[in-house]
Parts: sequence; C-alpha cells; structure tokens
Amino acid sequence: AQTVTQSQPEMSVQEAETVTLSCTYDTSESDYYLFWYKQPPSRQMILVIRQEAYKQQNATENRFSVNFQKAAKSFSLKISDSQLGDAAMYFCAYKPFQGAQKLVFGQGTRLTINP
Amino acid sequence: ETGVTQSPTHLIKTRGQQVTLRCSSQSGHNTVSWYQQALGQGPQFIFQYYREEENGRGNFPPRFSGLQFPNYSSELNVNALELDDSALYLCASSLFSASSYEQYFGPGTRLTVT
Repeated sequence: AQTVTQSQPEMSVQEAETVTLSCTYDTSESDYYLFWYKQPPSRQMILVIRQEAYKQQNATENRFSVNFQKAAKSFSLKISDSQLGDAAMYFCAYKPFQGAQKLVFGQGTRLTINP
Repeated sequence: ETGVTQSPTHLIKTRGQQVTLRCSSQSGHNTVSWYQQALGQGPQFIFQYYREEENGRGNFPPRFSGLQFPNYSSELNVNALELDDSALYLCASSLFSASSYEQYFGPGTRLTVT
C-alpha cells in the first residue's frame, strides 16, 4: 500500500521569505502523480502544484516549486516570497497513474506566515 | 462552470442514527470520490463512484455506502453512527480517464456525532 509522510506538523516563515515543506512517500509503482494541496480555514482543498513521476523536470507554478527526487521518494514544496494568504494546512498527496482516482494524503503541515 | 457543492455545511447527529450527505459534481465531471478528514489529519479515501457504480473503496466498513445519480451527483450514507465518525467529509469530482489527474474538492460537510 502506498503511504505519504509529512514529518513537519508545523512550520512558520516571515513574510517575503522562502520556506520548504517536506514530503516522502512509499510506492512500488513507477508511474504516478504527486500533488501539493492547500487547505485554508475555509476547508476547501485547493490544488497548488502537481508532478508527474515520468517527468524529470521539477514543476513550477509562479511562487511555488517542487524538488522531486524519484529515487529517494521525496517531494518537497518550496514557497518563495511568502505572503499572508499562503497561511494554511498543506497536504502532500499521491495518486497512482491508473485505476481508481484515489488520493493518498499525508498528515499535513500547518504553515504560519509572520508579518 | 459550476464548482463542486456539498450539503449540508454542518450536521449534528446522535450515536446510532443514520446520515446522508450530498455532493454535486463540477460540470463535465463523471466521477465522484468521498474522503473523511478527522480533526488534525489528512483526508482518508472512502470510495469513488463512476457511472453510478462503486469504483474503488478504502478501508471503511459497509455501513458507509454511497450512490451516484445519472447527473453525476452523489450521496454518502452512514448508518449506525459512531462517535469516531465525527469528521469533515469532502467530496471531489473529476473526469475519469487514464491521463486524468485533477480532483476538484467541495467545501465539505462537518459532521458531529454526540
């Protein structure tokens, strides 16, 4: 069974600084997707960024980028120029490439932005 | 484009009762997945519905059941409620295909069992 582990229950960063959230996962599959979701106090899960396992290039979406290390099964999220609106719970998630569209989530990291 | 909606927003039930939660999928999506998110935890996959049939199930007992309707909306039913069923229930809609990856989440239903 696939598992996702986020070892940082809480992180904080000064506004405008850079922060990195860690995620490791375990799978025997070679093709899969990895995601970072953001869950603000409004509760709605919002997709931040995705990475296809077959792509070597790390995904980037504006201020958000990932460091995908397939061999190490590591998938960290870097947030540059942190903004107050980035404060939220962040979840790392795994989805197999085929089969049921089941997301396996980590336990989450609560990110606080200090003004 | 209409997003994913869920009803009700909040619900309080007594142990042993039954509850039905509802989800309307995003326009154009044919698959609905349900997740249970206990306080302070990541969401756990309950099951998924595609073409009105269950298409994958997580480690949840049979008292968790669901339906999908021809318009792709869905219901989650929980019988014989237990205190541990207190959680945020999220539904997510998507388009079922080999290359599809993105699930769009609704705002969730907060269920409290007393």
